[in-house]
Amino acid sequence: AQRVTQPEKLLSVFKGAPVELKCNYSYSGSPELFWYVQYSRQRLQLLLRHISRESIKGFTADLNKGETSFHLKKPFAQEEDSAMYYCALSVESGYNKLIFGAGTRLAVHP
Amino acid sequence: EADIYQTPRYLVIGTGKKITLECSQTMGHDKMYWYQQDPGMELHLIHYSYGVNSTEKGDLSSESTVSRIRTEHFPLTLESARPSHTSQYLCASSYTGRGTEAFFGQGTRLTVV
Repeated sequence: AQRVTQPEKLLSVFKGAPVELKCNYSYSGSPELFWYVQYSRQRLQLLLRHISRESIKGFTADLNKGETSFHLKKPFAQEEDSAMYYCALSVESGYNKLIFGAGTRLAVHP
Repeated sequence: EADIYQTPRYLVIGTGKKITLECSQTMGHDKMYWYQQDPGMELHLIHYSYGVNSTEKGDLSSESTVSRIRTEHFPLTLESARPSHTSQYLCASSYTGRGTEAFFGQGTRLTVV
């Protein structure tokens, strides 16, 4: 079965604290993983993808095939990081099929 | 400016009415998608399109229908709205190819009373 699990609905931290948003996937093929973010009153947008191996806004995510995980991390959270974060899995198909997790709301307090 | 537009943003409508949710993109993308999302839940794909005159059902069964007569336009229609259709509907588009970035519209929040 193809599935993305984000176990935390809400993650609440203080400014400057480290952040880790968890994502686990289930997929028998070769996975491609993404993190999408939705800031308040804005549309859903791509944050980063694992194949790029890049850091965006201080966030990084490493694909761990052994643990089937793609956790999103940031060493020092900022208030502007407060948003909904969705992990997504792209599966092999004739189109760009994305399977989303339920999302984690990150709240960064001053 | 290249973008993807959805109208209306919010819609409250009575049971039995026919509704059409509009989605247009000026990004030149061939692939377009409709997702449905209930509060606190995953986004579920309900329709997608490879291109003009090509539409397919997604993973989540939906009573809605879609059409793709023009590349940039991908409207979603409910012939007879019911309270169970109350949800948020997100339109997205992308280029061909696995793993390409999907661009989302602002969404339409539909409430059927």
